[in-house]
Amino acid sequence: EAQVTQNPRYLITVTGKKLTVTCSQNMNHEYMSWYRQDPGLGLRQIYYSMNVEVTDKGDVPEGYKVSRKEKRNFPLILESPSPNQTSLYFCASSPRGGRGDDYEQYFGPGTRLTVT
Amino acid sequence: AQKVTQAQTEISVVEKEDVTLDCVYETRDTTYYLFWYKQPPSGELVFLIRRNSFDEQNEISGRYSWNFQKSTSSFNFTITASQVVDSAVYFCALSELESNFGNEKLTFGTGTRLTIIP
Repeated sequence: EAQVTQNPRYLITVTGKKLTVTCSQNMNHEYMSWYRQDPGLGLRQIYYSMNVEVTDKGDVPEGYKVSRKEKRNFPLILESPSPNQTSLYFCASSPRGGRGDDYEQYFGPGTRLTVT
Repeated sequence: AQKVTQAQTEISVVEKEDVTLDCVYETRDTTYYLFWYKQPPSGELVFLIRRNSFDEQNEISGRYSWNFQKSTSSFNFTITASQVVDSAVYFCALSELESNFGNEKLTFGTGTRLTIIP
């Protein structure tokens, strides 16, 4: 089954304790991206990757890092989480350059993060 | 810069009523995609529809229909004979092909929370 998986799905942590949210896709997609969702703001892009070892900032990258060592994985790293990073996080992937009638971005199930 | 506006923050209707969710977008690109997603209380994002900028045909899928009008930069979503299971947050999103230099970012609206009252 084609899917994007995220782990963990729920996480409560404390300020300053480094954490990683994993994202993996099994569709051989080149493009992957992270979004955060906050009330009244919709979803905003944090980072994206157009291929292995190619990553770049989105609209709200402060406080986050990413890596893309393998095509299927795109972890989101919070080196020193703060309460303003409490949010719902989504990973997405798509076949880069695929713009046909079936074009779609596939979203993971979401990770709800609380930083106290 | 790209922008998506969903002016309706919350809508409540009685079951079986029709309801339209509005979406207005801004883009400088001539080639782009528009999407609608549903987010039920469980939190996941459910893809509903994609429409590219060259296809202004309205689409109907069961009780759902979409009206795309480039002249007014709108992509509205109508649910006919609403049901309780339609209660969710609905997001409209825009993907530009020209401005983002390969970043296939979706620009989301702020969402409309739809509540269907039994």
